[in-house]
Amino acid sequence: QVQLQQWGAGLLKPSETLSLTCAVYGGSFSGYYWSWIRRPPGKGLEWIGEINHSGSTNYNPSLKSRVTISVDTSKNQFSLKLSSVTAADTAVYYCARGRRTIFGVVITQPLDYWGQGTLVTVSS
Amino acid sequence: EIVLTQSPGTLSLSPGERATLSCRASQSVSSSYLAWYQQKPGQAPRLLIYGASSRATGIPDRFSGSGSGTDFTLTISRLEPEDFAVYYCQQYGSSPPPFTFGPGTKVDIK
Repeated sequence: QVQLQQWGAGLLKPSETLSLTCAVYGGSFSGYYWSWIRRPPGKGLEWIGEINHSGSTNYNPSLKSRVTISVDTSKNQFSLKLSSVTAADTAVYYCARGRRTIFGVVITQPLDYWGQGTLVTVSS
Repeated sequence: EIVLTQSPGTLSLSPGERATLSCRASQSVSSSYLAWYQQKPGQAPRLLIYGASSRATGIPDRFSGSGSGTDFTLTISRLEPEDFAVYYCQQYGSSPPPFTFGPGTKVDIK
């Protein structure tokens, strides 16, 4: 049974850096891409970016200049950093399992396992 | 970037009724890589449908998906009390990403 557990600071001031980590339990860590998604209050879901076990990343162009996703394969964890946050970055942030990789070939698949979500509020 | 629009924004129905939700893409979705998710307050999204029409593990057969190209539909044949939620479509086939979501359809109790 695959489980994703996430944590990080929930209250930030404008201009600070958001930092969240997601740990993966069960299943294969190296065989997938791992994503971050957010949902601002009253709005829909926004895909932020993804990473695989080798550190290969893809980011949403709308956030690319401020986002860094990293991986720690020794702990089966991946992390999100979002710099220079503003009130517009207030959202519930989720981690999730995405595309699969088999012998270096990427298999397209949806986000099938999700973390519990972390509310991040940006306020002065 | 593929932009997804969903209609209606809100659907007010009674338990037992049929729900039909629409998702339209700004360009053709590659190989029908279109998914539907259900989200309830305080919970993470839950995968319902992938590949436009395949049910995810454990999803009841009252949920069905159809469509191809730019037009997709999620149908709930008979609404159960636990089905009142927000539903999002997502395309996950664009290369390179981003994998975009629609704005959501809220199904609430009439």
